[in-house]
Amino acid sequence: GAVVSQHPSWVICKSGTSVKIECRSLDFQATTMFWYRQFPKQSLMLMATSNEGSKATYEQGVEKDKFLINHASLTLSTLTVTSAHPEDSSFYICSASPTGRSRAYEQYFGPGTRLTVT
Amino acid sequence: AQTVTQSQPEMSVQEAETVTLSCTYDTSESDYYLFWYKQPPSRQMILVIRQEAYKQQNATENRFSVNFQKAAKSFSLKISDSQLGDAAMYFCAYFHPGNMLTFGGGTRLMVKP
Repeated sequence: GAVVSQHPSWVICKSGTSVKIECRSLDFQATTMFWYRQFPKQSLMLMATSNEGSKATYEQGVEKDKFLINHASLTLSTLTVTSAHPEDSSFYICSASPTGRSRAYEQYFGPGTRLTVT
Repeated sequence: AQTVTQSQPEMSVQEAETVTLSCTYDTSESDYYLFWYKQPPSRQMILVIRQEAYKQQNATENRFSVNFQKAAKSFSLKISDSQLGDAAMYFCAYFHPGNMLTFGGGTRLMVKP
């Protein structure tokens, strides 16, 4: 159990276009989902925390108008990279925390999405 | 702010041998969780082991065990009988309720046949 999927796993887009990445919790409900960015050979950097039905909380330095997050249901969060540029090329990972305060420490990770902007 | 430090960027171990990965953290909290995650070449993050700070007993999962030293704020991972499939990036992480999951910089483990 506790499976998180991401789609697509790999995407190439042209500079100036937008791309949407989906994160789904397949067998549990997730009030809170998280979006991370990982550069090659580096650690995960939290971009934003997404709560179902409310606005996402962005970490310092993350442009909220560029990285749009929507968490419309308890099983789906989306990250849209708007007007993508080559510097947005990276590996994006989502994670989901099962609903319930007692399980706040649990995070299950998706397989990641590799974004390449040409 | 909490910080997590992994002082070993790379480690190498011979197959079937034992290796220990180091992790230190900084926090003023008394109630928190510590984790070791494995990230193989597929880049899927896999939970290896979890330790609750209020538990004195060190967590163990098969060949993986931790040495949790709360006063020293140290949380090392020991891998026994290393296997080729253990080769991966290993991340130490800290979590306090209400805060975000904070990762260390990672340690790349290579396993020699």
